[in-house]
Amino acid sequence: RKEVEQDPGPFNVPEGATVAFNCTYSNSASQSFFWYRQDCRKEPKLLMSVYSSGNEDGRFTAQLNRASQYISLLIRDSKLSDSATYLCVVTHSGGYQKVTFGTGTKLQVIP
Amino acid sequence: DTGVSQDPRHKITKRGQNVTFRCDPISEHNRLYWYRQTLGQGPEFLTYFQNEAQLEKSRLLSDRFSAERPKGSFSTLEIQRTEQGDSAMYLCASSFLGYEQFFGPGTRLTVL
Repeated sequence: RKEVEQDPGPFNVPEGATVAFNCTYSNSASQSFFWYRQDCRKEPKLLMSVYSSGNEDGRFTAQLNRASQYISLLIRDSKLSDSATYLCVVTHSGGYQKVTFGTGTKLQVIP
Repeated sequence: DTGVSQDPRHKITKRGQNVTFRCDPISEHNRLYWYRQTLGQGPEFLTYFQNEAQLEKSRLLSDRFSAERPKGSFSTLEIQRTEQGDSAMYLCASSFLGYEQFFGPGTRLTVL
């Protein structure tokens, strides 16, 4: 089993739709969780951190479920500019920090 | 520009040659990370530094790969005797301790 798993997609959604991605992780000792966005042939850019209580930033909502070991990202009112690959990142410290990226979920918002 | 910078942005080399990449992190960040990314995959962790100390190395980092961060500021990643399988995007990121990482634009390596 991969340490961090994501559905690669693509998710093709119409403008204005709501879309949700999940990311599962295998290490129950994982401590920090992030969502990054990556445009084609560009570097990943931080979208948001994921806190235990859940957090929201405009149209984006991130949730953490430690019991089931997954994080989620919800995008409301999708825009064409949301088209990108969304990477889940999980870190834990077993002595030294270990950072693991998922393979990413591709989102295509269509007019 | 106060973000992470990487040099060069593109590198084409012949198999068997050595290459070296440089990363300049955000100045107040004490951690620096190297990743490798191939098409359709997420970034794969290679190694990271806290200040000048290299704290963790992935098993992906074979003996042909070496990274340094001599003064706790910029870092270099060297690949010796390059192979075609080394072709990838090499990404550098920095953070303050284990908080959010900020990435540079990457160095795209093509080994012919």
